[in-house]
Amino acid sequence: AQSVTQPDIHITVSEGASLELRCNYSYGATPYLFWYVQSPGQGLQLLLKYFSGDTLVQGIKGFEAEFKRSQSSFNLRKPSVHWSDAAEYFCAVRSNTGKLIFGQGTTLQVKP
Amino acid sequence: NAGVTQTPKFQVLKTGQSMTLQCAQDMNHEYMSWYRQDPGMGLRLIHYSVGAGITDQGEVPNGYNVSRSTTEDFPLRLLSAAPSQTSVYFCASTQEGATYNEQFFGPGTRLTVL
Repeated sequence: AQSVTQPDIHITVSEGASLELRCNYSYGATPYLFWYVQSPGQGLQLLLKYFSGDTLVQGIKGFEAEFKRSQSSFNLRKPSVHWSDAAEYFCAVRSNTGKLIFGQGTTLQVKP
Repeated sequence: NAGVTQTPKFQVLKTGQSMTLQCAQDMNHEYMSWYRQDPGMGLRLIHYSVGAGITDQGEVPNGYNVSRSTTEDFPLRLLSAAPSQTSVYFCASTQEGATYNEQFFGPGTRLTVL
């Protein structure tokens, strides 16, 4: 069965530091992968997505993610974190029935 | 476009009460979904619909009903609320096949069942 694992439940970084949020997926074929962000009290907003082609994808708000098939990973990165990036981040994979399967989420806290 | 709208934003129910969470989208999307979000569990799919008149169960459908009489609306009904249904509920929509399942989410309904 398809699944998504986000190993880090909570991450704290200092403002201006780099960020990497981990995501591992289980899927037999080429996956469709997504990262969503949820600010406090808000719905989810799509940051970026990967379907095929270049394994490094750029998203909104300065985020990027790299698809690594050999590691079944799709880690999210940002070179310099801003206080406004504090939020919960969800990785998701499209299942073979077309539905999205979400990871458990990673809460990012940004220290001033 | 308003996108995906949900009402109410907050709701408190007593055990056994029923209610309907409303969801509407104005993007003419065919595919709509209901999720619940619980701490440490991410989002879990409750029900979904691939078009008007067609609905199907997701991962956690028990205790919920849906219908899809129009493309725009996808209400979620709680038949007899239980404390285990205390959660944040999100509705989402996508134009299947057009944007590879980029789902647009509503702002959520925070439900507490006492």
